[in-house]
Amino acid sequence: QSVLTQPPSVSGAPGQRVTIPCTGSSSNIGAGYDVHWYQQLPGTAPKLLIFGYSNRPSGVPDRFSGSKSATSASLAITGLQAEDEADYYCQSYDYSLSGYVFGTGTKVTVV
Amino acid sequence: QLQLQESGPGLVKPSETLSLTCTVSGDPISSNTYYWGWIRQPPGKGLEWIGNIYYRGNTYYNPSLRSRVTISVDTSKNQFSLKMTSLTAADTAVYYCAGKGVTVTNPFDSWGQGTLVTFSS
Repeated sequence: QSVLTQPPSVSGAPGQRVTIPCTGSSSNIGAGYDVHWYQQLPGTAPKLLIFGYSNRPSGVPDRFSGSKSATSASLAITGLQAEDEADYYCQSYDYSLSGYVFGTGTKVTVV
Repeated sequence: QLQLQESGPGLVKPSETLSLTCTVSGDPISSNTYYWGWIRQPPGKGLEWIGNIYYRGNTYYNPSLRSRVTISVDTSKNQFSLKMTSLTAADTAVYYCAGKGVTVTNPFDSWGQGTLVTFSS
């Protein structure tokens, strides 16, 4: 059971901006634990995309950005490209579960 | 650059124990800057954290799986392993090994390619 909720899918045209919300609670995001984002291209392992809400690992385009509010976080993709079609997952830590939790996942489609 | 590679049988049967090994290269598994973990993904579904281990043997498990899971480390082989018992069809998944920093706020920044394990009666 996922304690971080994401919409199942979002879509956008090439060049557009899309956002993916990740809704948590007071025992994870609201408790101040960092949120990270992973991109999973079809048939491949997840890849770290954003860490600590808004930091990009080396090699990740600046089209990807992250933000945080009280008990949620968001991933934004600006200038959407066909290669961005993938599943995206948020991840944090939950103190009530004493463990790491992932979001339900969002499939991004470029239409 | 850290690299991880899972290995183990792709098919498991009732009453068997799932045993997977992750071989780490590029850094010693005894590095004090990493926790080593297992994450799984049932076909067409999301990611589920299974557990982590530190090179000294400290383990942390998903409470929902704790009674069935054991993670161990072999520093001489630069490997860590997963064992899971009482298997059911719900355990069919791609199993990933991953590395992360030692604080709870660190992400899983290195992943293996994953290995598909299918439960078959």
